[in-house]
Formats: sequence, C-alpha cells, structure tokens
Amino acid sequence: EVQLVESGGGLVQPGGSLRLSCVASGFTFSGYWMHWVRQLPGKRLEWVARIDADGSIPSYADSVKGRFTISRDNAKNTLYLHMNSLRDEDTAVYYCARDSHQATVAKYVQHWGQGALVTVSS
Amino acid sequence: DIVLTQSPTTLSLSPGERATLSCRASQSISSYLGWYQQKPGQAPRLLIYDTSNRATGIPARFSGSGSGTAFTLTISSLEPEDSAVYYCQQRSKWPTFGQGTKVEIK
Repeated sequence: EVQLVESGGGLVQPGGSLRLSCVASGFTFSGYWMHWVRQLPGKRLEWVARIDADGSIPSYADSVKGRFTISRDNAKNTLYLHMNSLRDEDTAVYYCARDSHQATVAKYVQHWGQGALVTVSS
Repeated sequence: DIVLTQSPTTLSLSPGERATLSCRASQSISSYLGWYQQKPGQAPRLLIYDTSNRATGIPARFSGSGSGTAFTLTISSLEPEDSAVYYCQQRSKWPTFGQGTKVEIK
C-alpha cells in the first residue's frame, strides 16, 4: 500500500521559514516524479513544486519561485519542501503527492499524503 | 498560466441521474486533462487522466471526453457516495486546476 506521511507543518510568522518532510513507502520511490500541491483556505488547489525521479529537475510555481526549494533523498525515501520568506498567502494545507505514472514526464497525482497545515500569521 | 474554468459551480441531482461537468481551458491543452474527486476532510482522488482514461479502481460510471479547450466529466448514474467537489487539472504546461464543481445528491 502506498503511504505518504508529511511532517513539519505549523504556525510561522511572515518572513519566517519552515521545512516540510514526506516519508514514502509501499512503492519504488526513486521511480516517480514527486510533487507538493497546496489547498488554500478557499479550497482552491495550487501546484507548488515538482521534482523528477532522480532529483535533477526541480520546478516551481511562479508564486513560490526563489522562496521555496523542493528536494528528495532517494536513499531515505523522503521528499522535502524548504519554505523561506513565508507570506500570509502561503497559508494552506500542503500535500505531498506521487505522480500517477512511472514516466519521464510529470503527469497527474495518483497518491496524496494526509496534508500538513501551514499557517503564516503574526 | 493556463486557466481552467469549470461549470456549473454547483450541480444538484437525484440518485440515478446523469451528471455532466464542464471544464474549459484558456488555450489548447490537447488531451492533457485529468479529473479529481474530493470529499470533505479527504485529499483529492484521481478519477480520469488524459481526458478519457479511468484511473485504477474507478467505477465505469465515470467517463471523460473532449479535446483542445473543452472537456466533460460524465457520471452516468449518480450514487449517493458521488457527492463531492470535482476538479479538473491540465498538464500541458505548468499544471493548474479548475476552481471545482460541487455535486450534491438530493
């Protein structure tokens, strides 16, 4: 069974930093693109970042570029999201997600974690 | 970014009825569109990928069609458990989601 378990969410002040982690199990982690997708308070979904199977091609939404860094450790089956210079509008539930296909291009999300709540507020 | 516009905002139907949900893209996305179902307190679930392919374990009453800029998710005969919000998502360029359609079962 595929499992994605996030940790690291919480309350942070504007301008602060936070690191989310996601431990994966039940599949060959090194074979899949991985993603971070967030759901804003109004329920809108936004793709935040994604990274290819071997970690060499990270990419980001314009809204987080230069502030967030996605990375992965395939030896530890773990995905990370380092978030700096956090803003009020980054408040959301952050989902760790596995791609739908074992492929050279990112496609859709087949599996989702339980979500980590990040609240940016003074 | 490619903007996806879903309609209607809310759909209220009885069990056994047919539901038709629309998703329109601001530019052509070929067939690179998927659909998700989200129930309260849960993460989204992938239903359809690349316009018309059902994901693993998805019942046959869910089907997708379309191409270019206009796409449709059809639920052929609504079940009570289909009450949820449905989102479309494109992967032609940086992935984006529609704003969602809420399906209510009377």
